[in-house]
Formats: sequence, structure tokens, C-alpha cells
Amino acid sequence: GPKVLQIPSHQIIDMGQMVTLNCDPVSNHLYFYWYKQILGQQMEFLVNFYNGKVMEKSKLFKDQFSVERPDGSYFTLKIQPTALEDSAVYFCASSLDRTANSDYTFGSGTRLLVI
Amino acid sequence: QQKVQQSPESLSVPEGGMASFNCTSSDRNFQYFWWYRQHSGEGPKALMSIFSDGDKKEGRFTAHLNKASLHVSLHIRDSQPSDSALYFCAASADTGYQNFYFGKGTSLTVIP
Repeated sequence: GPKVLQIPSHQIIDMGQMVTLNCDPVSNHLYFYWYKQILGQQMEFLVNFYNGKVMEKSKLFKDQFSVERPDGSYFTLKIQPTALEDSAVYFCASSLDRTANSDYTFGSGTRLLVI
Repeated sequence: QQKVQQSPESLSVPEGGMASFNCTSSDRNFQYFWWYRQHSGEGPKALMSIFSDGDKKEGRFTAHLNKASLHVSLHIRDSQPSDSALYFCAASADTGYQNFYFGKGTSLTVIP
């Protein structure tokens, strides 16, 4: 079936540096999401994005985080500056619409390690 | 406080056996529930959704929802080694955007 592609699959970065996580959503999907999963914990919602704007964000979406999708290219999550507690797996997801029955597809995740 | 709680944390069943997972929510705003499966190194993939009280069966998988108690379960009959994975319960509220709240997951091992 259609897939969400996340690049890179792994990233190691020095604390304080900037990192950009890339997501190529399903081609006809209009809604995009980022989730964060710390090792051994549940996946937690960070932010959703539609029509070029953040629609909702959680308390985990710190001021150091930003998202964008310039000109229909990758949907990106940027962290600047990174902190040790940002180490986690970040999952991107996309959906066609907002209904409960909508096709909601997750990527395989980017494993971020901040050292 | 976690809004979605799953049990057990891990489960081992023999091939051909029945695997059962439980999920309880603490938020009465949740209207929609899903079961996701995640194999190692992959993203979670939707197994099935359940939005109404009662049972929903899809092949070897049966989900049950009791909205009054906010309890949802998943049963896999005739379990196969390929079913070995992490199983997540996810819930969302009717707020317009499908932001999921996940449980911590149950690790299933099917022993050949």
C-alpha cells in the first residue's frame, strides 16, 4: 500500500546543534502529524499540520521545535537547538482527511540520538 | 497520567493459540479506538478500528469495545509466528483532528 517515507532512519547529533527530520507523506494526503516515542514509553502526539499551518500541538512541542512543508516537498520537523531529552524515535504520519475512517499511515520513524 | 493503558506488557502464546490484549482509557472524550501492530524497525500499521459497542471481526482478529467502561480488547485466534510484534491500542476524541493517544504496547511472541 502507499507508504510514508522518513529520512534519515537514524541520526546522531551533538547537543545544541540543529537537526531536521524529513517526511515524504502519502501523495494525496492532506493532513500531517509528528509523534515522539521515547524508549520504553508510548508514542505521543506532537503536532498536526494542514494547509501550510500548525492546527494543533501538544505540550511536548517545545519552542525549539518547528514544522513546515515548503511547496509540497518534505514535511519537516526541525529542532533547534537540540537537547539530550530530545533523543527518541520520531514518527511521521499522514491522513487524507479528518474523519475517523480516514486512511492514516505512519512512517518507519527516525531514531534520533542527541549526545 | 496515561490516558490509554494496556495490559499485559508482554505475552507468549504457542502457534495456533489465542492471543488477547486489553486496553482501558481514562478519558470519556475518546470515541474511536484502533489496534496497531509494529514489527521491529518498522512503523505502526493499523490492524483494525472499532467505533461502536460490541464485537468486530476481521479474519483471525476480533476487537471488542465497551464504551461504558472505556474498555477495548483484541483477540487473535490461530496465532502465527509472523504475528509476533508489538501491539498498540490507540484512541482519539471527536475533536476534528485525528490525534491519537497510544498505550505503551503489548509485546507478543508466538512460539512455533
